Amino acid sequence: DAGVTQSPTHLIKTRGQQVTLRCSPISGHKSVSWYQQVLGQGPQFIFQYYEKEERGRGNFPDRFSARQFPNYSSELNVNALLLGDSALYLCASSLGAQGPTDTQYFGPGTRLTVL
Amino acid sequence: AQSVTQLDSHVSVSEGTPVLLRCNYSSSYSPSLFWYVQHPNKGLQLLLKYTSAATLVKGINGFEAEFKKSETSFHLTKPSAHMSDAAEYFCVVTPPGGGKLIFGQGTELSVKP
Repeated sequence: DAGVTQSPTHLIKTRGQQVTLRCSPISGHKSVSWYQQVLGQGPQFIFQYYEKEERGRGNFPDRFSARQFPNYSSELNVNALLLGDSALYLCASSLGAQGPTDTQYFGPGTRLTVL
Repeated sequence: AQSVTQLDSHVSVSEGTPVLLRCNYSSSYSPSLFWYVQHPNKGLQLLLKYTSAATLVKGINGFEAEFKKSETSFHLTKPSAHMSDAAEYFCVVTPPGGGKLIFGQGTELSVKP
């Protein structure tokens, strides 16, 4: 079975530009979460979506937005890019949105570099 | 609020010797705890999870962790390190009801031949 897939693998943008990152969850999983991992740090939670609705948001500015589609895939959008947005963006999927047994499975990530 | 503290940013062991990666947690409720591993330029892989069943949790690749409520710890161990274990390890906690994952800062494990 295919795991979580993300595209693109790498991306280079300049300050002020906008970027869209894509994620396809494991088949049958209805929840997608996004995390930002800055070099040398642990991942930080950005968003969780379940059944196309936002279920949680981390401490990120409004420049960050996301959505989930009827097929449960998801997009993360970042507007007005800053140098500090350079990071590995990780997508994770799980069967449901809550509950201690809803284990999150991660994709390989998208490496975003902002110049 | 929930949080985890990984007590060592870097651990170095020789191949064939035991591994101990330390994690303390802070939680107002009975937490769900996880260990994830991240190999260079790869995504995160779940090693094991604790969800209030048995306090000794066995994971993949010979790793295990013990939940100790009295010490608020969830240390990761392996009896014998392999070269392929070299990676970054993250201790993770979730708030009551699940949802977002809260990661520690990570421990880089180096394995010497």
